Amino acid sequence: DTAVSQTPKYLVTQMGNDKSIKCEQNLGHDTMYWYKQDSKKFLKIMFSYNNKELIINETVPNRFSPKSPDKAHLNLHINSLELGDSAVYFCASSQVGYGYTFGSGTRLTVV
Amino acid sequence: DQQVKQNSPSLSVQEGRISILNCDYTNSMFDYFLWYKKYPAEGPTFLISISSIKDKNEDGRFTVFLNKSAKHLSLHIVPSQPGDSAVYFCAAILTGANSKLTFGKGITLSVRP
Repeated sequence: DTAVSQTPKYLVTQMGNDKSIKCEQNLGHDTMYWYKQDSKKFLKIMFSYNNKELIINETVPNRFSPKSPDKAHLNLHINSLELGDSAVYFCASSQVGYGYTFGSGTRLTVV
Repeated sequence: DQQVKQNSPSLSVQEGRISILNCDYTNSMFDYFLWYKKYPAEGPTFLISISSIKDKNEDGRFTVFLNKSAKHLSLHIVPSQPGDSAVYFCAAILTGANSKLTFGKGITLSVRP
């Protein structure tokens, strides 16, 4: 199936740990994104990559480091996890700049 | 600084009636507006969009209206069905090299059988 898939779906970890979330799209889109949905339900953009190049970084702490090995993958690595990092993280992709396709989300819980 | 606002957190309507979901925005430079629908434990899925040069776009039971002077758009669902129960996000975009979707907070729609 053509889709944006992200793993894992659920992630529970302790404060201070380092974790990664993976995202892959097989839609042939050039641009990929990470969005965060916090406890107040806002969906906010974190990063955007176009053809492996970072184009948007929305004042995200540098504990968050995206990595795009190719245009079909955009992974998110988080160092020294904090309680406030608990949220649902959505990966998305697009071709023209709108009409985003989202993954099903990764619910991160930091305890 | 919320550029896209959905001020009502929830809406409940009877099956068969019309659902009207409202959205306001502050940035007059936005050139496309979109509605996304989200079920629990799933990602948002695209529903319908409208260009800033139009005032109406219709797709089956879903119609989006845009009032640029008021910086307001609305999504009409008629007739509403129980399967429409979900969270609806209004989003806007300024297309270009560094474009990004800016979302509202979402409205939870419940359609009562």
